[in-house]
Amino acid sequence: AQTVTQSQPEMSVQEAETVTLSCTYDTSESDYYLFWYKQPPSRQMILVIRQEAYKQQNATENRFSVNFQKAAKSFSLKISDSQLGDAAMYFCAYRSRDDKIIFGKGTRLHILP
Amino acid sequence: DSGVTQTPKHLITATGQRVTLRCSPRSGDLSVYWYQQSLDQGLQFLIQYYNGEERAKGNILERFSAQQFPDLHSELNLSSLELGDSALYFCASSVSPGGNYGYTFGSGTRLTVV
Repeated sequence: AQTVTQSQPEMSVQEAETVTLSCTYDTSESDYYLFWYKQPPSRQMILVIRQEAYKQQNATENRFSVNFQKAAKSFSLKISDSQLGDAAMYFCAYRSRDDKIIFGKGTRLHILP
Repeated sequence: DSGVTQTPKHLITATGQRVTLRCSPRSGDLSVYWYQQSLDQGLQFLIQYYNGEERAKGNILERFSAQQFPDLHSELNLSSLELGDSALYFCASSVSPGGNYGYTFGSGTRLTVV
């Protein structure tokens, strides 16, 4: 069974600085999708970025980018120019072949003013 | 507003009772997914429906059941409730069966069992 591991329960970053959240996953599949979701205090789940495993190019969405290392089964999220509104719980997720999206336990990100 | 509507937003009920959570997917989305998020936990997949048919099942208890209706709205029924069932229940939807482009989540139903 696939698993998703986020080894950093909490992180802090100074406003305007860059922070990287780590995620590793375990799978025997070769084609899959990876996601990062953000859950702010409102508890709403918001899709931040997605990556298709067959694409070598790392996905980018404005200040958010990923470092996808397929061989290492690593999928980290980089947030540049951190803003107070980025404070949230961040979940890494994997879409399995049987169409389930499996979530990691999350990393709580604090932004220090 | 994500376009996925969940009702009610909050629900407080006693142990042993039965409740129904409702979800209307985003317009055009055929897949509905249910997730449970317990306090300080990640999201646990419960069940998925696609165009009225059950498509995938996760760690859903036998006391829980769900269905998707012809108008594509879905209901999650929780019965014989226990204190441990207290959680945030999310519904999400996607246009494709497998959610390749990710899901759109509703704002959740906060269930408290007392």
